[in-house]
Amino acid sequence: TQLLEQSPQFLSIQEGENLTVYCNSSSVFSSLQWYRQEPGEGPVLLVTVVTGGEVKKLKRLTFQFGDARKDSSLHITAAQTGDTGLYLCAGVVDSNYQLIWGAGTKLIIKP
Amino acid sequence: NAGVTQTPKFQVLKTGQSMTLQCAQDMNHNSMYWYRQDPGMGLRLIYYSASEGTTDKGEVPNGYNVSRLNKREFSLRLESAAPSQTSVYFCASSIWDSNQPQHFGDGTRLSIL
Repeated sequence: TQLLEQSPQFLSIQEGENLTVYCNSSSVFSSLQWYRQEPGEGPVLLVTVVTGGEVKKLKRLTFQFGDARKDSSLHITAAQTGDTGLYLCAGVVDSNYQLIWGAGTKLIIKP
Repeated sequence: NAGVTQTPKFQVLKTGQSMTLQCAQDMNHNSMYWYRQDPGMGLRLIYYSASEGTTDKGEVPNGYNVSRLNKREFSLRLESAAPSQTSVYFCASSIWDSNQPQHFGDGTRLSIL
């Protein structure tokens, strides 16, 4: 069974602080997707990382794919209340139709 | 700009009742998926349809059936609901396989009493 472990499961910080969320696996992925989900809505894709070592930036969010393509991180700089949500990572294996999903990190940014 | 539309948004059933969750997408996507989301467990794939006319089991298919009615519509049926099927159900679609981003509906919150 392929697993994708996310940590931490829950994080509550003050506005303006920095944070990092991790996705780790023993499996190699051809790519990895990050989604954000807000209450009462479905997940929305933030970014896809494809190449080992790749870094992508989306405003204050920085995504990195591990060199061995087994892990990824999401770093948020100067968090804002609008960053609150559930962050999910999903790994792609062999271009099939089944993503390997992490359990999610619930992030709360307090004003 | 509807994207993926799920109906109903909420439903309460009694054990043993049956119901069908509806999903439609207007993005001309080939692949569609049904997931359930439970606290602390992330998204688990129930069934998927790679293209019109095909369906395949995902990680947790027991107790469910699906129908890919046409390219736009993919329904999920619970024949005899059980309390363990209480969950939030999401439908998603993608252009092709998992390399492409998945677009999700807003979910159906289902409670089985």
